[in-house]
Amino acid sequence: DGGITQSPKYLFRKEGQNVTLSCEQNLNHDAMYWYRQDPGQGLRLIYYSQIVNDFQKGDIAEGYSVSREKKESFPLTVTSAQKNPTAFYLCASSPGTGGQPQHFGDGTRLSIL
Amino acid sequence: AQKITQTQPGMFVQEKEAVTLDCTYDTSDPSYGLFWYKQPSSGEMIFLIYQGSYDQQNATEGRYSLNFQKARKSANLVISASQLGDSAMYFCAMRGRFGAQKLVFGQGTRLTINP
Repeated sequence: DGGITQSPKYLFRKEGQNVTLSCEQNLNHDAMYWYRQDPGQGLRLIYYSQIVNDFQKGDIAEGYSVSREKKESFPLTVTSAQKNPTAFYLCASSPGTGGQPQHFGDGTRLSIL
Repeated sequence: AQKITQTQPGMFVQEKEAVTLDCTYDTSDPSYGLFWYKQPSSGEMIFLIYQGSYDQQNATEGRYSLNFQKARKSANLVISASQLGDSAMYFCAMRGRFGAQKLVFGQGTRLTINP
């Protein structure tokens, strides 16, 4: 079955540590996205990528970094510069054209130790 | 800038009743799309329905329909014959012509279906 796989499901970060969240898709989608969701809130865009080796900042990119070396993969690194990283992180992908919806992974819940 | 407003933080409905979840939007793009997603307590986002700004008819998908009133900038989700499994968070989102396919989300509405 085609879909988006996020790992790990739960992640704990120590102070001053960088952590990387994985996102892999086998839907052959061109565009991929990372969102952050805080409790009781909607989703906010961190980064997005429309093609390989290219990505753009979203609304809350500070303290995060991404790469897009392969079409299937769009990992997100939460750096030590992100002072409030505790949140639910969702990865999505879309064909990149028209009214096609974004498909989401199951999310990674990041907490601070 | 694009903005989505969902004014109902929570709604409680009896099973088998119809329910309307409100969504208003603001954009200067002449071409845009509106989406509704469902988020159960497990966290995944499930796509429900899409409406394009130039679509002449309101979108329908099974028990879901979108009441699109362009002049009022509203895109309300209607769920007919609600079921216990409909209990979840519901998010309205908008994609504009500019800014690729990225979505702007509302704050969500928590729907609870009572037996």
